[in-house]
Amino acid sequence: EADIYQTPRYLVIGTGKKITLECSQTMGHDKMYWYQQDPGMELHLIHYSYGVNSTEKGDLSSESTVSRIRTEHFPLTLESARPSHTSQYLCASSPRTSASYEQYFGPGTRLTVT
Amino acid sequence: QKEVEQNSGPLSVPEGAIASLNCTYSDRGSQSFFWYRQYSGKSPELIMSIYSNGDKEDGRFTAQLNKASQYVSLLIRDSQPSDSATYLCAVNIWGNNRLAFGKGNQVVVIP
Repeated sequence: EADIYQTPRYLVIGTGKKITLECSQTMGHDKMYWYQQDPGMELHLIHYSYGVNSTEKGDLSSESTVSRIRTEHFPLTLESARPSHTSQYLCASSPRTSASYEQYFGPGTRLTVT
Repeated sequence: QKEVEQNSGPLSVPEGAIASLNCTYSDRGSQSFFWYRQYSGKSPELIMSIYSNGDKEDGRFTAQLNKASQYVSLLIRDSQPSDSATYLCAVNIWGNNRLAFGKGNQVVVIP
């Protein structure tokens, strides 16, 4: 079982603010992912990383950026929050071995932009 | 065509019955298949993985894979109220280090 942490768990913020959602894992997983999910809706991949200094955009353009300076840390930044960014943001990680694709999810950050 | 399709609507089953969920996928190169359980307001939790054709059992859960027909299913035996959740099917995309997720099937177990 992976240990993956997200902070904050809940965030209410005004339009135009810059925010960073934190994600950390302690399992040494190389692959990490950010998803966006609205209530009752499907997961949308925003960004992912294969390892340090590797970042890729996913299917959903959410006007966000990520960085991967350390293996265990994969923060997501919204430069200018908008009400359309209101959603649940889920971080996940996956082991290094090439045959392993299973992903383990953190508890999520519920973001509300007013 | 969607990469992973879960077309069934909400499934209501009486307590103690078998819940059956199905999922189809489009990428013939997919090798890894997963079922996640997601309670309302929570994050997905991995409950089953299957990599070869046939059945895989874990407690009250059985995953079934048929690569020729490109479908994977999940059976929940002796359904309990605690099984009430949304179940997500996920499939690896060949040549890509990511999973494609289905929209999910909601299961409601009626006591």
